Amino acid sequence: SQQGEEDPQALSIQEGENATMNCSYKTSINNLQWYRQNSGRGLVHLILIRSNEREKHSGRLRVTLDTSKKSSSLLITASRAADTASYFCATGRGFGNEKLTFGTGTRLTIIP
Amino acid sequence: GAVVSQHPSWVICKSGTSVKIECRSLDFQATTMFWYRQFPKQSLMLMATSNEGSKATYEQGVEKDKFLINHASLTLSTLTVTSAHPEDSSFYICSASEWGTPRSYNEQFFGPGTRLTVL
Repeated sequence: SQQGEEDPQALSIQEGENATMNCSYKTSINNLQWYRQNSGRGLVHLILIRSNEREKHSGRLRVTLDTSKKSSSLLITASRAADTASYFCATGRGFGNEKLTFGTGTRLTIIP
Repeated sequence: GAVVSQHPSWVICKSGTSVKIECRSLDFQATTMFWYRQFPKQSLMLMATSNEGSKATYEQGVEKDKFLINHASLTLSTLTVTSAHPEDSSFYICSASEWGTPRSYNEQFFGPGTRLTVL
């Protein structure tokens, strides 16, 4: 299956700064989700944005979706050391039990 | 949120042996479970989709005879890696989806993963 591309592949910032990650995909979607994965662990669901939404907020997270450009961004504000993890976007083409297609991921390192 | 467990969390086995990994939904009925594998520093690759009571649907390039999937109940799916070889060493992650509830809008709940090392 086709995967989305995320950039940057790796990002290191100072604690307190904002982190922005981008995700591009190739096919039409019903929704796009962002997940976090700490090293060697499972995935934690962060936020889901539907294809008819343009922006969504959850705490320090802000997600945008531009379906015309087939791209999404995840912004983490006021970063903390605990935000150090890999972040993946995943696209779904339907709802219900539809499989997800994951992006390549961004490895975020927050420097204390 | 819904909880998905995996067992074991890690396993080391000899080449040629078979390994079974369990994926359980603890507080909901998982009509569909997904199995992924992840190589170090790479993304998740879907291996197969498993629906309760029916045969799994495998992704292109995944050998169904090597990766046996059984979804016998609404809370348990198993992945058996048969005749494992070193190239099967990977991180295997399952996810579960619940159909027909408010949280079923394509949200998948992920297990913590199983690290398989084949010597």
